[in-house]
Amino acid sequence: GENVEQHPSTLSVQEGDSAVIKCTYSDSASNYFPWYKQELGKRPQLIIDIRSNVGEKKDQRIAVTLNKTAKHFSLHITETQPEDSAVYFCAAGFFFGNEKLTFGTGTRLTIIP
Amino acid sequence: IAGITQAPTSQILAAGRRMTLRCTQDMRHNAMYWYRQDLGLGLRLIHYSNTAGTTGKGEVPDGYSVSRANTDDFPLTLASAVPSQTSVYFCASSPEGALSSGANVLTFGAGSRLTVL
Repeated sequence: GENVEQHPSTLSVQEGDSAVIKCTYSDSASNYFPWYKQELGKRPQLIIDIRSNVGEKKDQRIAVTLNKTAKHFSLHITETQPEDSAVYFCAAGFFFGNEKLTFGTGTRLTIIP
Repeated sequence: IAGITQAPTSQILAAGRRMTLRCTQDMRHNAMYWYRQDLGLGLRLIHYSNTAGTTGKGEVPDGYSVSRANTDDFPLTLASAVPSQTSVYFCASSPEGALSSGANVLTFGAGSRLTVL
């Protein structure tokens, strides 16, 4: 089955700086890579996703990059703000068939004012 | 308001007791899922259902059972709770072909915090 590793487990950055979270996956057949954000005490919510036919996707201050050859993908947050403080989960799987989606262990991001 | 409703929000349970966590969605999604979230382990799939009347085992199914009698409801039952089942449980759903085009995004419920003593 798929194995997803996520690093770092915790990350602190100064407000306004950039944050990068990295994930690797094992199954070269995986073609869908979503990122979920979970604020303290709340439910996980999708913030951005990328499919394997695309190398990079941006949405305002967040972007995701995918390297299929190396089997790794990363989340980039620029101009960080206090509301970016949360736990972020990467996942790897298939666009249809969420039962095959495997999550990383999460990164707790803290933005220092 | 469309979405997923979970109940109870939190529960303290004695070991050996039976417990059912309830989950209802009103988005007419085909697929539903139960995850448990534990510190340092992320979200792990317990059981899933791709359509009413069918269920499947996820990564950590032991000690849990589910049923999917209709599209909207997907209860999770712990037949005889043990302390290792102390966790936060999230129900989720996704269209899986129920809607024409669009993203097949997982929508999560608010979670149920279960403590087994």
